[in-house]
Amino acid sequence: QVYLVQSGAEVKKPGASVKLSCKASGYPFTSYVIQWVRQAPGETFETVGWINGDSGNANSAQKFRGRVTITRDTSASTMYMELSSLRSEDTAVYYCARIGVCGSYPCLDYWGQGTLVTVSS
Amino acid sequence: DIQLTQSPSSLSAVVGDRVTITCRAGQTVRGYLNWYQHKPGKAPSLLIYGASQLYRGVPSRFSGSESGTVFTLTITALQPEDFATYYCQQGLSDVTFGGGTKVEVK
Repeated sequence: QVYLVQSGAEVKKPGASVKLSCKASGYPFTSYVIQWVRQAPGETFETVGWINGDSGNANSAQKFRGRVTITRDTSASTMYMELSSLRSEDTAVYYCARIGVCGSYPCLDYWGQGTLVTVSS
Repeated sequence: DIQLTQSPSSLSAVVGDRVTITCRAGQTVRGYLNWYQHKPGKAPSLLIYGASQLYRGVPSRFSGSESGTVFTLTITALQPEDFATYYCQQGLSDVTFGGGTKVEVK
């Protein structure tokens, strides 16, 4: 069975950084891309970035470039997402999700349980 | 980014109702359109992929269709466990989501 288990809730002050983790199990870690998305209160989902489990190549949405670093540790089957210069608008639940292949289409077939990040002074 | 516009943003229904949710893409997504169900405090779950294909284990009362850039999610005979928020998502160019449709108890 596939699992993505995320780290626990975080409370940070504005200007600080936060590093979240997403540990994968139940599938070949290097065979899939992991997407990071977030959902702010009352809002829809928003892509933060993604990382190729095989190559380690990572990219982020334009909005987050310069503030987000996405990495992986293949020995631990774990992905990391670090967001810096936090502001109140970054308060959200952050999810990691596996980009699977459904038929011939990409799909977010497995999700982590989410990590609440609260940014408050 | 490819914009997805969902309607309605919310609706009220009773068990047994037929529910239809629409997702309009700002440009062609060539069928790369998925639907998810999301309940508070839980991770989203995949319902439909490729606009109309039912994901494994999803009840057959859920269906999806496509007409150009307009996509529809239909729930026939709404069940108590179906009260949730539904999102469309395109995967042709990066990943973007619609604004969501909350299905509430009437």
